[in-house]
Order: sequence, then C-alpha cells, then structure tokens
Amino acid sequence: NAGVTQTPKFRVLKTGQSMTLLCAQDMNHEYMYWYRQDPGMGLRLIHYSVGEGTTAKGEVPDGYNVSRLKKQNFLLGLESAAPSQTSVYFCASSSQEQTRQPQHFGDGTRLSIL
Amino acid sequence: GQNIDQPTEMTATEGAIVQINCTYQTSGFNGLFWYQQHAGEAPTFLSYNVLDGLEEKGRFSSFLSRSKGYSYLLLKELQMKDSASYLCAVRDWDTGRRALTFGSGTRLQVQP
Repeated sequence: NAGVTQTPKFRVLKTGQSMTLLCAQDMNHEYMYWYRQDPGMGLRLIHYSVGEGTTAKGEVPDGYNVSRLKKQNFLLGLESAAPSQTSVYFCASSSQEQTRQPQHFGDGTRLSIL
Repeated sequence: GQNIDQPTEMTATEGAIVQINCTYQTSGFNGLFWYQQHAGEAPTFLSYNVLDGLEEKGRFSSFLSRSKGYSYLLLKELQMKDSASYLCAVRDWDTGRRALTFGSGTRLQVQP
C-alpha cells in the first residue's frame, strides 16, 4: 500500500521556469491538500480539494495553481517560479467519512529556485 | 483566523518524561492533532483530541482543554529515536475543508 506518493522528490529551477508537482494517493480519499514548509514557519496550506473536479485556495495560494481531474491525483503548478517559492512541498489526503482520521502525508518535494 | 503557539526547542534526557505544550486561538474548534516529524521526512500522525481530557497511546499521551485553548503532548520513557519535531495542528469548524492549521513545531533533542 503506497499511501501518498509525490513526484519529483527534488528539483532545482531557474527563476521564471514553470513546473508541476504530482501527488497521487491510493486510499480513495476525497480530500487532498498541498502545503509548503519553511524553516520556523510550520506547514502552510496552499490549495486544497474536497473532491474530484473541485479546488479551493488556502492560506498562501499566490503564484500557484492546482487541478484535480482524477480523484487520486492532485497537481500543483508553478507558472513562473520565484526564489520565494523555494521550500519543501507536502501533499496530504484524508477521508471524508471519518473525522478522527488524520491527514496522511507524502514524503515531500524539495524545490529550490535559483 | 487561527493562532497556534508552541515552544521552538526542548531538550530532555533519555528515559525521562517531557511535556510539549500547545496553545491555540480559533474561531471554531473541531479537533487537535499532534504529528511527529523526523528531519527530512514527512509528518506522521501521533494523536487526536476533540473532547477535553487525556488520550493515551503507549508512551505518548495528549491532553486537551478547550476552555483554555490548551493542549500538551506527553512523552514517557524517552528514547533517542524520539528526537524529532512535534507539530500541533488545529482543525476548524468548517468541516467541508477539513484542513489543518499547524504550529511552527517544537524540536525535541533527546540526550543520552
């Protein structure tokens, strides 16, 4: 059981380049999330989805776009990367049915923007 | 909005007990989670509290007081592998989102 899988694990970009981070979960979860984690700031929510075909903004959505075309996949896009987007990005998913159940996290994508 | 505070760093001795505190302010409380995160790894779930009181799970326990906006994570019989960051996270009443707001984390160093 793979759980939540993120690709790629590491990436270095130049300012202005674009890229897409992929998150895939095999737990049939309805909810999916993208967070970024920066030193001293904890995890901050970028965008989230409550089901296939739906997306919504979190705390820090500027500079990012997302899509959830299939229930198991949640994509995070950077249209024009900036050095301020250097961070570790975590994807998470959770079940709609069980309120006690936690979010399950992927292993993260370490992104550096030069 | 939400505001979550926890100490930045703590140090404890192997075999001892340590308590990590978390205070929060939220417009609508709907559960508090504790996660453990080892350096360079993903957060992993430790505990969940939604009602007042103590939840015990082996060497780890978590306490919640909703009236005080306060929680703590208690780690007993500390082991070297417990050296990690511990994240407090609060879920708000908007169950349609089920997103969590995280504190900055407490980095625990366990010494021999």
